[in-house]
Amino acid sequence: DAGVTQSPTHLIKTRGQQVTLRCSPKSGHDTVSWYQQALGQGPQFIFQYYEEEERQRGNFPDRFSGHQFPNYSSELNVNALLLGDSALYLCASSSGHSGNTIYFGEGSWLTVV
Amino acid sequence: GQQLNQSPQSMFIQEGEDVSMNCTSSSIFNTWLWYKQEPGEGPVLLIALYKAGELTSNGRLTAQFGITRKDSFLNISASIPSDVGIYFCAGQQAGSGNTPLVFGKGTRLSVIA
Repeated sequence: DAGVTQSPTHLIKTRGQQVTLRCSPKSGHDTVSWYQQALGQGPQFIFQYYEEEERQRGNFPDRFSGHQFPNYSSELNVNALLLGDSALYLCASSSGHSGNTIYFGEGSWLTVV
Repeated sequence: GQQLNQSPQSMFIQEGEDVSMNCTSSSIFNTWLWYKQEPGEGPVLLIALYKAGELTSNGRLTAQFGITRKDSFLNISASIPSDVGIYFCAGQQAGSGNTPLVFGKGTRLSVIA
C-alpha cells in the first residue's frame, strides 16, 4: 500500500520562474492538503483540495495555485517565484469521510536563487 | 500564519533520560496531534488525541490533551538514540471535512549516548 508520494524531491529555480510540484495521495484517500515548511519552522497550511475543488485556503498569495485530478492526485503551482518561497513543500492526504488521520509525504525541497 | 507555542525549542539529553515537551495555544482545538520529523522526511504521526483530558500512550510515548483544550504535552520515557528528531505538535479545530492543521515550531531533540 503506497503512502503519500511527492515529486520532485529537490529542485532549484530562479526568481521569477514558475514551479509545479506533484502529489499522489495514500490509497483510499480523497483529500489533499499542501503545506509550506520554511527552515526551522513548523508547516504552514497553503490549501486543501477535495472533489477536484479548492475547499480551504491559508494565508498565501494568489501566486500559489493548485489542482486536483479525478484520480485524487494533486499539483501545487507557484508563479513568479521569490527567494522567500524557498522551503520544503509537504503534501498531506486524508479521507474526507474519516477525518483526522492525516499522512504526510516526504516533501519537495524548493530552492529559489 | 497562526502557530502554536511549543517548548522547549531544543533539548540535549542523555540516553535513558525521560523527556517532556509541551504546546500551548490561545485558541481551543478539538484535536491535538504529535508528529516526529527526521531529516529529509515528512512528519510522521506519533499520537492523536481527540478528547479533553485524554491520556494516550504509544510505546514509550505518552501524550495528554489538556482540559482547557488549549494545551497538550508529550513525554518520552527512557530515551534512545533513535528518538533524535524534531517533534511537532499540531492542533485541529472543529469543522466540516478535514480542517487544516496548525503546527508549533517544533522541539529538536538530541540524545547523547
